[in-house]
Amino acid sequence: EVQLVESGGGLVQPGGSLRLSCKGSGFTFSAYSMNWVRQAPGKGLEWVSYISSSGRTIYYADSVKGRVTISKDNAESTLYLQLNSLRADDTAVYYCGRGFGELLFSDNWGQGTLVTVSS
Amino acid sequence: DIQMTQFPSTLSASVGDRVSITCRASQSISRLLAWYQQKPGKGPKLLIYKASTLESGVPSRFSGSGSGTEFTLTISSLQPDDFATYYCQQYDGSWTFGQGTKVEIK
Repeated sequence: EVQLVESGGGLVQPGGSLRLSCKGSGFTFSAYSMNWVRQAPGKGLEWVSYISSSGRTIYYADSVKGRVTISKDNAESTLYLQLNSLRADDTAVYYCGRGFGELLFSDNWGQGTLVTVSS
Repeated sequence: DIQMTQFPSTLSASVGDRVSITCRASQSISRLLAWYQQKPGKGPKLLIYKASTLESGVPSRFSGSGSGTEFTLTISSLQPDDFATYYCQQYDGSWTFGQGTKVEIK
């Protein structure tokens, strides 16, 4: 069974940093692209970042470009999202998703981790 | 950037009803569209990709249609487990979600 478990969320002050993790199991992690999507409280889904299976191709949404870094440790079956210069509008539940091959959608998602940016 | 307009934003229906949700793209995306279901406190669940291909394990009462700029998700006979929020997402070179449609009990 495919499982994705996010962690690393929490309360952080504006301008602070956090690193989110997503541990994958039940599939060959190195063979799949991965994504991060977020959902602000009471709002819809917003794509954040994509990384290809090898890690060589990376995309970011304009709203986070320059402040966020996605990475993938295939040996540890773990996806990361480094969030820097956090703002109040980054407050959201962050979900990781397994890519459908290298296509830009996901067929399995985690349960999410909440990031709250507040002073 | 490709924009996705999804409607209605809320849909009130009863068990057994046939319901449809529409998603419109700002430019042609061929058939590069996925539909997700999301329940409160949970991650999205993939229902359909490539506009009309049913994901494994998804009940056959769900179906998708369309191509180019207009797409529809149809639930042929609404079941109690189907009350949720539904999102479309285009994946033609980028990611964009629709605004979501909440299907609630009438």
